[in-house]
Amino acid sequence: DAKTTQPNSMESNEEEPVHLPCNHSTISGTDYIHWYRQLPSQGPEYVIHGLTSNVNNRMASLAIAEDRKSSTLILHRATLRDAAVYYCILSPRRGNEKLTFGTGTRLTIIP
Amino acid sequence: NAGVTQTPKFQVLKTGQSMTLQCAQDMNHEYMSWYRQDPGMGLRLIHYSVGAGITDQGEVPNGYNVSRSTTEDFPLRLLSAAPSQTSVYFCATNRVGGTEAFFGQGTRLTVV
Repeated sequence: DAKTTQPNSMESNEEEPVHLPCNHSTISGTDYIHWYRQLPSQGPEYVIHGLTSNVNNRMASLAIAEDRKSSTLILHRATLRDAAVYYCILSPRRGNEKLTFGTGTRLTIIP
Repeated sequence: NAGVTQTPKFQVLKTGQSMTLQCAQDMNHEYMSWYRQDPGMGLRLIHYSVGAGITDQGEVPNGYNVSRSTTEDFPLRLLSAAPSQTSVYFCATNRVGGTEAFFGQGTRLTVV
């Protein structure tokens, strides 16, 4: 399975944009890039996913490099509620019953 | 809709005891999965099911059994609890062709 690499932790000021990077240099042509986040004491929740093109939804944007070897999750205006562990996950299908989680990036929001 | 409901939320077991963690969903999703999360780690897949009557092993299946007799329910059985099974357990569902998995709130299990 293709592996992802994320920084262990990041900090950001409240109300500023946050860019969370993910490297996946061994990604295959059919792997989708998914992002989930896990708020304290909760189960993970879906954030966004993409294949090749940049994607936007109400929660975030996903910027995918042209060679697909890296991607960036963008939170446009961080709030305290965005403090969580963010996981970048590759899967061979758009939705998957089997997700392989790494250790993710712990995002701290500074008031 | 309740989504994905896990019971109990907390449980303490003695080594060697058995128990069943319950997971129920009301979204009519075909896929259901069980994960465990150890401190400071990501989630690891234990077992999963692609429909009633069909189950398969994930990354860390030893010590756990599952069955799927209905679409709604996917119980996880610990046959003989060990301290190494102390963890937080999450159940997840996903529909065929869907884009996102939905997770329960977790069951925190301590084996002493």
